[in-house]
Order: sequence, then structure tokens, then C-alpha cells
Amino acid sequence: SQQGEEDPQALSIQEGENATMNCSYKTSINNLQWYRQNSGRGLVHLILIRSNEREKHSGRLRVTLDTSKKSSSLLITASRAADTASYFCATDSGGGADGLTFGKGTHLIIQP
Amino acid sequence: DAGVTQSPTHLIKTRGQHVTLRCSPISGHKSVSWYQQVLGQGPQFIFQYYEKEERGRGNFPDRFSARQFPNYSSELNVNALLLGDSALYLCASLWGREGGYTFGSGTRLTVV
Repeated sequence: SQQGEEDPQALSIQEGENATMNCSYKTSINNLQWYRQNSGRGLVHLILIRSNEREKHSGRLRVTLDTSKKSSSLLITASRAADTASYFCATDSGGGADGLTFGKGTHLIIQP
Repeated sequence: DAGVTQSPTHLIKTRGQHVTLRCSPISGHKSVSWYQQVLGQGPQFIFQYYEKEERGRGNFPDRFSARQFPNYSSELNVNALLLGDSALYLCASLWGREGGYTFGSGTRLTVV
């Protein structure tokens, strides 16, 4: 079963604008990860944030985590056409026995 | 270094048949996980193997099985295929203590 939901399901913005995607989850976690998927192929790991962290940056990416609300957000600044993809959040409850639990994803389209 | 490699890339099978999918993790990585991604959904965890032992199993029927070999490569087997087994099957290699994963490009299985 899916752990939670990404919001919105689809997002279309102009190149150069910022894109924000949200993720909610249901159970306690060890860490939360964001992945990108192009055209239904393999997933690319973007960033991991631990449960005791509140914010993390990597290049044009900024991730926040609010464990009290069981939610996370991914901000992509100064978007580019190459950022067009589906973005998934995935939670790791620790121990490896349950693997990663993914949401349904946000499909991001960057208009040139 | 080669990433996670999966074979074949595409496969068409008939209902009731059996299928074997193969995965080689990143060189030196001892953990392999398998995920199923149905069109329009996020990946769902099937199995995790570490040092040739099953460490976790998702909510999949017994028709799904896997194994890991001494060289850490892995096979996913699905018996008595159903139309609903049509999906992208992803293999992932766990890196470091951070818990991030590197995914292969996947095997797209179509059951007709």
C-alpha cells in the first residue's frame, strides 16, 4: 500500500519559476527521500533527510521535513526544461525489512 | 563503475507463464531490493536481500519469489502470471549507512 500522497498530482510552470511539491506520510520514519523519474524509467535519488533534520539543501533543491505533521516539501528553484519528470517521496521506517514506501508522485512539467 | 543493471529491458509474456528478471547491483554492494511499479503509481516494495538472505518482503503473493547469488546479483521470479502483473520492475542497490538507493532502469513486463 502507498504510504502517503504527493500534492499536487500534476504541476505545470514556466521555466525559471520555482516548483514546490508536498508529501504526506502516515507512520513514523527513519528518513524521507525524494526521487525523480523520467519517462517511466529508473528512479534517480535526489536527496535524503533524516527524521531529526528539519531542512536540507542540495544545489537547486531544498527539502523540509515536519515530523509532527508527517509532511515534507521539495522546492526546486529556477526550474529548467530538464526538470520535467515525475517526483516521488519515499519513506524509510528503518531496518530495511519494509523497504521504501513511495507515494504516487507529482508530475512536473516545465514550459520553455 | 557500472550502476545497477537489469535484464531484459522489455518482456512480453502470456497469462499463466513464468518469468525471471535479473539484476546486478553496483559492484561491492551486498544489498538488492525489488520493486513493482504499475502505470501511474509509485513503486511498491517486493523484496530485500542482503548477503544472500531475505531481509524483507512486501505484500505480494507467493507467486513472487527471489534469490541472491554469491556475487550479489539477484533474480526475481513470478509464476502463473496474471494480467495485473504487467508493470515496470525495478531493482535497487542500497548504498552506505545513509539509506539511499540507486535504481536500475527497470524491466517492463507486459502480460497478455
